Amino acid sequence: EPEVTQTPSHQVTQMGQEVILRCVPISNHLYFYWYRQILGQKVEFLVSFYNNEISEKSEIFDDQFSVERPDGSNFTLKIRSTKLEDSAMYFCASSDRRGLLDNEQFFGPGTRLTVL
Amino acid sequence: RKEVEQDPGPFNVPEGATVAFNCTYSNSASQSFFWYRQDCRKEPKLLMSVYSSGNEDGRFTAQLNRASQYISLLIRDSKLSDSATYLCVVNTGGGADGLTFGKGTHLIIQP
Repeated sequence: EPEVTQTPSHQVTQMGQEVILRCVPISNHLYFYWYRQILGQKVEFLVSFYNNEISEKSEIFDDQFSVERPDGSNFTLKIRSTKLEDSAMYFCASSDRRGLLDNEQFFGPGTRLTVL
Repeated sequence: RKEVEQDPGPFNVPEGATVAFNCTYSNSASQSFFWYRQDCRKEPKLLMSVYSSGNEDGRFTAQLNRASQYISLLIRDSKLSDSATYLCVVNTGGGADGLTFGKGTHLIIQP
């Protein structure tokens, strides 16, 4: 069964450093997403990406964040200068947009980011 | 982005019992509705979509009331493996929009 993969599974970084989180969406999917989940909190939408551009972004996705699809398979989230409050689990998801009702988003296993 | 509200629980339920969860959403423009399941420190996984007419998938039944902006999930004959957090999720429309998650209801099935 095809699945979304993410690397690394755990990233530890110092405050102020740049991090890049990597995702490989399911190969025939067209829509890509990043979400985050702070420990003990709800899953929060960050950004959606389609046709090589951002479709929608939340208020969390400020100028510190950027996304890129550098090649035909990878989808990356970059945080330019990490803050302590960026510590969270970051989930990548993809979908093939089969319609409003069947628009299942498949989630990757997540990258746990710890900012010290 | 409007909110999705759920009772956080935990719901402690004996194996074999029936349990029901509810959820309300505030954005009347929401068009797609889902229940996801999340195990501890794992990714959310789709349990089922929720259709206007209500739908059933084995032991799981989902209902949607658009007028009241209310979604429910019923689990019959609960199994130990049903222990998880159940996330109520809405989408305001189309494939490009991100999902809005509730905080989840924690279910513990006891032997």
